[in-house]
Amino acid sequence: KAGVTQTPRYLIKTRGQQVTLSCSPISGHRSVSWYQQTPGQGLQFLFEYFSETQRNKGNFPGRFSGRQFSNSRSEMNVSTLELGDSALYLCASSQDRATDTQYFGPGTRLTVL
Amino acid sequence: AQKITQTQPGMFVQEKEAVTLDCTYDTSDPSYGLFWYKQPSSGEMIFLIYQGSYDQQNATEGRYSLNFQKARKSANLVISASQLGDSAMYFCAMRGGSGTYKYIFGTGTRLKVLA
Repeated sequence: KAGVTQTPRYLIKTRGQQVTLSCSPISGHRSVSWYQQTPGQGLQFLFEYFSETQRNKGNFPGRFSGRQFSNSRSEMNVSTLELGDSALYLCASSQDRATDTQYFGPGTRLTVL
Repeated sequence: AQKITQTQPGMFVQEKEAVTLDCTYDTSDPSYGLFWYKQPSSGEMIFLIYQGSYDQQNATEGRYSLNFQKARKSANLVISASQLGDSAMYFCAMRGGSGTYKYIFGTGTRLKVLA
C-alpha cells in the first residue's frame, strides 16, 4: 500500500500571498488531519476531515482552511501569509475508529519571506 | 481535558544500551489509544508502536516496547539495543474516544545515541 503523500514538499512564498497544500491519504483511510510544526510551538493540530466534513478544529485563525474531496484527498489553504506561518505542515491519515493509528506524510516545508 | 506530558527534553544513550523515554497522560475517556512516533531530522513522523487502553499486555514491536501502567497513567517507550539511527525526536500521542477522535501530542524528547 502506498503511504501518505504530500505535495509540494517545499514551498517559498512572500507575505500576503496564499498557498494550497495537498495531501493524499493511504487507500481506504477516510480521516485526514493536518498539523503545523514549528520549533517554538511544537506540533499543533489544525483540523481533521472525515468523509468531506470537518470533524475537529484546532485554535488557528480563519486564514487557515481546508477541505476534503470524495476520494478522501485533502487540501489545506492559508491566505494572507505571515512570516509566522513558516513551518512544516504535516498531513496524517487514519481509518475511522478512535484508536486507529495515524500515518503521516513527509510534510510540506513552507517558508514565508 | 486530555493531556500528554513528556518531561525529558533531551536524552543521551550509549550505542547498544537500552533507553526509556517517559510519557504520562491524562484523560477521562475509558477508551483511548496511546502511540509513539519517531521524527528524524528529515521531518517525517514514523509510527513506532500502539497500546490500547484495554490491552492487557504491553505492546512490543521489534526493539520497541511500551511500558503501560494504566493506574499511573504512564506509557513509557523502551528502546532496546540502541542504534545510531535511533537518534531522533520522539513523540508520545493519545487519541481518545467520546466522539472527538483528536490526537494529542506531547512536546517530544530528543534522543541522541552515542557511538
